[in-house]
Amino acid sequence: AQKITQTQPGMFVQEKEAVTLDCTYDTSDQSYGLFWYKQPSSGEMIFLIYQGSYDEQNATEGRYSLNFQKARKSANLVISASQLGDSAMYFCAMREPETSGSRLTFGEGTQLTVNP
Amino acid sequence: DAGVIQSPRHEVTEMGQEVTLRCKPISGHNSLFWYRQTMMRGLELLIYFNNNVPIDDSGMPEDRFSAKMPNASFSTLKIQPSEPRDSAVYFCASTLRVRTSGNHHPKNIQYFGAGTRLSVL
Repeated sequence: AQKITQTQPGMFVQEKEAVTLDCTYDTSDQSYGLFWYKQPSSGEMIFLIYQGSYDEQNATEGRYSLNFQKARKSANLVISASQLGDSAMYFCAMREPETSGSRLTFGEGTQLTVNP
Repeated sequence: DAGVIQSPRHEVTEMGQEVTLRCKPISGHNSLFWYRQTMMRGLELLIYFNNNVPIDDSGMPEDRFSAKMPNASFSTLKIQPSEPRDSAVYFCASTLRVRTSGNHHPKNIQYFGAGTRLSVL
């Protein structure tokens, strides 16, 4: 069974500063995908960034980067130069290997608040 | 391009009534997922389809829940009869599923609709 752990229920950051949101995962599979989604107060789920287990480079998408440490089974999201619009709930998720299906397993989320 | 479209956005109904949630996936996508989000259980997968065929419905809570995908552009999630504990946000997501080849793990990113907030009184 897979498990995603986000240990920070809430995080606060000052506008324009960087923030790291933690995510650890547990799997015995060798092939898997890791995702981060953002859920603002309006409720929609917005895809941010993806990391494949075989990818050697850390993923980056604009101000978002994923600090992937495979041996530690961690996939932390780094948001640089925080903006007020970054205030939202952030979910880490993992996908099973293709042979077992395509379900996403989500963590409990981290509520990020960006202060002006 | 239009994203995943869900309707209605909000649904308020009384216990015992039938509720039907609708989803139009992104055109060209071949996998569709229904998730439920609650404070107690977080985000959990209810059922997913590949090429309109239900693959895994182990997350469907009980027989009161049913889902169909009659064609590639439409899916429904039905609750009959509804109960107050079904109150939640229901998300539909879709992806273009590409199979793994060797050490290549395809992204198969799931794109979510805006969700349906269901309140059963």
